[in-house]
Amino acid sequence: AQSVTQPDIHITVSEGASLELRCNYSYGATPYLFWYVQSPGQGLQLLLKYFSGDTLVQGIKGFEAEFKRSQSSFNLRKPSVHWSDAAEYFCAVVTGNNRKLIWGLGTSLAVNP
Amino acid sequence: KAGVTQTPRYLIKTRGQQVTLSCSPISGHRSVSWYQQTPGQGLQFLFEYFSETQRNKGNFPGRFSGRQFSNSRSEMNVSTLELGDSALYLCASSTHPSPTYNEQFFGPGTRLTVL
Repeated sequence: AQSVTQPDIHITVSEGASLELRCNYSYGATPYLFWYVQSPGQGLQLLLKYFSGDTLVQGIKGFEAEFKRSQSSFNLRKPSVHWSDAAEYFCAVVTGNNRKLIWGLGTSLAVNP
Repeated sequence: KAGVTQTPRYLIKTRGQQVTLSCSPISGHRSVSWYQQTPGQGLQFLFEYFSETQRNKGNFPGRFSGRQFSNSRSEMNVSTLELGDSALYLCASSTHPSPTYNEQFFGPGTRLTVL
């Protein structure tokens, strides 16, 4: 069965430091890949997505992600984290003919001042 | 353009009761999907509606049901509530249904607590 793994449940970084959140998926073909962010009391907001083409994808709020087929990974990066980036981050994939979204369990990001 | 709205935002029920949650999609969006979010299971897909028809369904018991109205607004109902139904229920809307994939826009969710 298709699955999405976010190995890091919780990450703490200092403001201004770089960030990388990991995401691995299990699927035979190339899926559609997404990163969402959820702030407390807010709905999920799409940060970026990959469907095809250039494997380095730019998103909103200064985030980027790189699709690596050989590693079945789609890691999210940001060169300099801001305190407002503290939130829950979810990786998701769309697979199969029915196009259901399959979600990772999320990574909680805390930012130290 | 107004975003996805969900009502109520918070709900407290007791075991055995039933509950109805409402979702109003973004104007012009005709596809509505529902998700259950819990700390242990993460986000799980419940069902998807498009033009008043259920297009997709997740692996939830029959106690979970939904419907969509002609104005694209959607409701989900949970009957005979169990403690394990306590969760954040998220609604998302998009312009087109599966299998064509379009970006989903999420509402803030309804926090259901079952006592």
